[in-house]
Amino acid sequence: SQQGEEDPQALSIQEGENATMNCSYKTSINNLQWYRQNSGRGLVHLILIRSNEREKHSGRLRVTLDTSKKSSSLLITASRAADTASYFCATSKNDYKLSFGAGTTVTVRA
Amino acid sequence: EPEVTQTPSHQVTQMGQEVILRCVPISNHLYFYWYRQILGQKVEFLVSFYNNEISEKSEIFDDQFSVERPDGSNFTLKIRSTKLEDSAMYFCASGTFEQYFGPGTRLTVT
Repeated sequence: SQQGEEDPQALSIQEGENATMNCSYKTSINNLQWYRQNSGRGLVHLILIRSNEREKHSGRLRVTLDTSKKSSSLLITASRAADTASYFCATSKNDYKLSFGAGTTVTVRA
Repeated sequence: EPEVTQTPSHQVTQMGQEVILRCVPISNHLYFYWYRQILGQKVEFLVSFYNNEISEKSEIFDDQFSVERPDGSNFTLKIRSTKLEDSAMYFCASGTFEQYFGPGTRLTVT
């Protein structure tokens, strides 16, 4: 399985702090993506990084990818209460099927 | 902004009954998917659909499941004889590597 596994499982931070979560996967991939899920809601695509990319930014998000270690990190800078959610990494290979990790639950305290 | 919609938002059914979950993917997308998320667990891929046929399916997607695109806009998932373990959140998605998810249908089998 190429499924990603996130670390930590849960993270609690103060508003304004940065949140970092990691994802590891097992097999070679075409790309890795991060999704956000607010409680009981659907998944929202955040950012996609291709296997030949090492770092990508989108607003307050920064994603890194290390294919030699089969790992990725998601950094959310200057967190806000609205960032409280679960964050999932998802990998895909040559097809479009997404393999999701178990997720990191982030709580941003006001 | 275009979005994926799903109906109903919550479906309660008795074990052994048939259910049909409905989705309207984003109109210019060609690939469609169903995923499910059992409470507290990972999001799991069920099936992908392209050009009016299944392009890939997981081990979960057995003979009890079927998908259909009955017209130019709807995409449905049918579970013929529901089991207790089918209780989950079912997400429809469309897109290719970057997928857009609907809000989900919570299926409760009693």
